[in-house]
Amino acid sequence: NAGVTQTPKFRVLKTGQSMTLLCAQDMNHEYMYWYRQDPGMGLRLIHYSVGEGTTAKGEVPDGYNVSRLKKQNFLLGLESAAPSQTSVYFCASSYSMRALGAGELFFGEGSRLTVL
Amino acid sequence: AQSVTQPDIHITVSEGASLELRCNYSYGATPYLFWYVQSPGQGLQLLLKYFSGDTLVQGIKGFEAEFKRSQSSFNLRKPSVHWSDAAEYFCAVAMYNNNDMRFGAGTRLTVKP
Repeated sequence: NAGVTQTPKFRVLKTGQSMTLLCAQDMNHEYMYWYRQDPGMGLRLIHYSVGEGTTAKGEVPDGYNVSRLKKQNFLLGLESAAPSQTSVYFCASSYSMRALGAGELFFGEGSRLTVL
Repeated sequence: AQSVTQPDIHITVSEGASLELRCNYSYGATPYLFWYVQSPGQGLQLLLKYFSGDTLVQGIKGFEAEFKRSQSSFNLRKPSVHWSDAAEYFCAVAMYNNNDMRFGAGTRLTVKP
C-alpha cells in the first residue's frame, strides 16, 4: 500500500517555465490538499479538493492551478514559475469532512522545487 | 485572525531528559488540535489529536499533550526523550466544518547524546 505518492521528488525550473506536480493516493480518500512548506512558516494550504471534479482555494493560491479529474489524483500546476515559488510542496489526503475533524492527513514525502 | 503559534523555533534537549513543546492558538471557538512530526526528508505523521473530553491526550511514540482552554494552549510533552525523537514538530488546528487545517511554523528538536 503506497499511500500518497508525489512526482517528481525534485525539479529545477527557470523563471517563466511551467510544470505540473502529480499526487496520487490509493486510499480512496475524498479530500486532497496541496501545501507548501517554507522555513519559519510551517505549511500553508495552496488548494484543496473535496471530491472528484472539485477544487477550492486555500491560503496561498496565487500562481497555482489544480485539477482533480480522477478521485485518486490531484495535480498542481505552475503556469509561469517565479523564484518566490521555490519551496517544498506536500500533497495530503484524508477521508470525508467528518474524518478531517478526526484530523488525520496522510502526507506524501514532498517535492522540492527550485525556480532560478 | 485565526492563528497558530509555536514560540520555540529550535529546542535542544539531552537524551533521557523531559520535553515540552509549546503551542498556542487564536480562534473564535475551540478548534480541533493536532501535533504532527516530520522526520528529515519525510512527510508529516500524526502524533496525537484532541477533539473534546479528557484534556490530556496520549499519542504514539510516548508523546502526550494537554489542552488548556484558559490558556488557548496545546503543549506536547514526553517524559524521556530518545535520540530518534529528533525531528520537526508541528502544531495544527482545524474547525469541524472547515477544510483548512492550519499549521504552526514548527519547532525543530535536537537531541544531544
